[in-house]
Amino acid sequence: DQQVKQNSPSLSVQEGRISILNCDYTNSMFDYFLWYKKYPAEGPTFLISISSIKDKNEDGRFTVFLNKSAKHLSLHIVPSQPGDSAVYFCAASAIQTSGSRLTFGEGTQLTVNP
Amino acid sequence: DAEITQSPRHKITETGRQVTLACHQTWNHNNMFWYRQDLGHGLRLIHYSYGVQDTNKGEVSDGYSVSRSNTEDLPLTLESAASSQTSVYFCASSFGAKNTEAFFGQGTRLTVV
Repeated sequence: DQQVKQNSPSLSVQEGRISILNCDYTNSMFDYFLWYKKYPAEGPTFLISISSIKDKNEDGRFTVFLNKSAKHLSLHIVPSQPGDSAVYFCAASAIQTSGSRLTFGEGTQLTVNP
Repeated sequence: DAEITQSPRHKITETGRQVTLACHQTWNHNNMFWYRQDLGHGLRLIHYSYGVQDTNKGEVSDGYSVSRSNTEDLPLTLESAASSQTSVYFCASSFGAKNTEAFFGQGTRLTVV
């Protein structure tokens, strides 16, 4: 079963607008959540993370929100730039899992149009 | 600069052949992972290791094996390559017990014909 799910395979936004990428999870043991960004022919790169003791974490244009009761997190990018066009993966690790073993979602292709 | 490198970047092999993909990291990370990326599935964990001589199966381990003889390397072996193993393979490493990000290599695109 897919424990981390990104229901939108793709998202298209205009430059300067907000991009909102969503992620849902089913495993109640997940306590640490991450977003990765991936360009074609490159490996995923870490973007931002959030611990389950928080509901928001911000880093420049990127903000991650966590709603534990809904088992939902989202990544907001404001303002969106054409260079943000990439595949974004949501990932999670569980309380009892050592070594940051991550479970990933399917990914969302973000396209930011100039 | 410390890094994680995968080789080869691209490989074409025939069904039934044994193939080994290399992964080398210079961060001295204790944790290393192999994932495969397929459309519609995201990144799925194949095998992982938390230290020398430690290996564990992930969610899609059938047909794959790994060994960890030193801190820096975690080679991934396909015992008898199958067309279903055509994919992009990513190695990753991380340091610490939990709640840390993993750093990824650039990937190996494997085609089994």
